[in-house]
Order: sequence, then C-alpha cells, then structure tokens
Amino acid sequence: GNSVTQMEGPVTLSEEAFLTINCTYTATGYPSLFWYVQYPGEGLQLLLKATKADDKGSNKGFEATYRKETTSFHLEKGSVQVSDSAVYFCALSDRGGSNYKLTFGKGTLLTVNP
Amino acid sequence: DGGITQSPKYLFRKEGQNVTLSCEQNLNHDAMYWYRQDPGQGLRLIYYSQIVNDFQKGDIAEGYSVSREKKESFPLTVTSAQKNPTAFYLCASSIDNGILGYTFGSGTRLTVV
Repeated sequence: GNSVTQMEGPVTLSEEAFLTINCTYTATGYPSLFWYVQYPGEGLQLLLKATKADDKGSNKGFEATYRKETTSFHLEKGSVQVSDSAVYFCALSDRGGSNYKLTFGKGTLLTVNP
Repeated sequence: DGGITQSPKYLFRKEGQNVTLSCEQNLNHDAMYWYRQDPGQGLRLIYYSQIVNDFQKGDIAEGYSVSREKKESFPLTVTSAQKNPTAFYLCASSIDNGILGYTFGSGTRLTVV
C-alpha cells in the first residue's frame, strides 16, 4: 500500500535559518505529491504540489522537488520567518490506483523563534 | 467565495450521546472526506464519498456514520459507540480523485465531557 514518511519533529529554528523537512514515499502507481500547512486551530492549507517526476512545486518561498529515483519530496525554505511556525504535512495521491484518497505523513511541527 | 464550511467550531458532548458535525461546500466538488486528527498521529480517514448517495469506509470508521444526500453536504455523526471521540475533525473535498489535492475546512473540535 501507499505510505508517507516524514521527519519527526519538533523542529526549532531561529528566524532567517534554512529549513529542510524530509519526506519519502511508497506508492504503487504514479503519485502526485503535496505539502500542506496547518496553523494552530485551523484546517490544512495546500502549500505546494508536484504531479510528475522532476517537477518543482513552490509557494511563499517554500520549494520541493519530486524525485522519483529517491522517492522523495523534501520541503525547503531559504530563510524562515516567525510566521512560518506551523505543522507541515507531506501527502501523496496515487493516480495509478483506485483509491480516491490522500495518504498523509504524520506531520512535522516547526517553531521559528525571533 | 467558494470553500468548505464546518460547524460548529467547538462542540461538547456528554458520554452516551450522538452528535452530528456539519460540512458544507460550494466548490461543486464531487468527492468529500472526513478525517480525524489526534496529537502525534497525523490525519486518519474516517469516511469518504465520491458521488451523491454513495460513501466508503476509511481506516477508522467504527463508531461513526455519514450520509451524502446532496453534493454540497457530507455530515458526520459520532455515535455513542465511538470509544474515544474527543479529537479535531476535518472535512475536505476534491474536484477529482485527489490528484490535484484537497480543500479543507477549518475543523471542529469535539470534546466529550
């Protein structure tokens, strides 16, 4: 079956530090990959996505590249801000299967200190 | 603006009572989903529906029930059979089979008192 593994948190950084949150996946077909962000007390918001190998998703300074050879989709940001503090979820949607649902990682809590 | 509305935002229930969480979307999405979120466990799928009048169990459906009588609405009932119902519940929808991602509501926090 499909699965997503992302680095466990919490991750604590100082403002302007470089961020990497690792994400690897297992899928039976040709998945689309996503990063979602959840601010305290809120639902999930789509941060970025990539639908095929070598695609790079980007939004709000965050980037992730779909690496089929390493089955990875690591999230990066060059300079984090206090407002980036949130929980980040990696997810996949498998277009090769018949499952109409996303598979999520367990989430990584990021705290950015001023 | 189009989106998903979950209500109420906070809900308190006495043990032994059933309670229904509302989820409405005006995005014209075909598929809708209910997830449960607990600290440290990520999101777990309760039920999903791809079309009106049809729904499927997810990974943790026991103690829950749903209906899909209208495209816009996918209410979730937490029954007294659910042993540990206190959690944050998230509703989502997608225009297709999720290839382009989901749109989420803002969630309902249910507390059993």
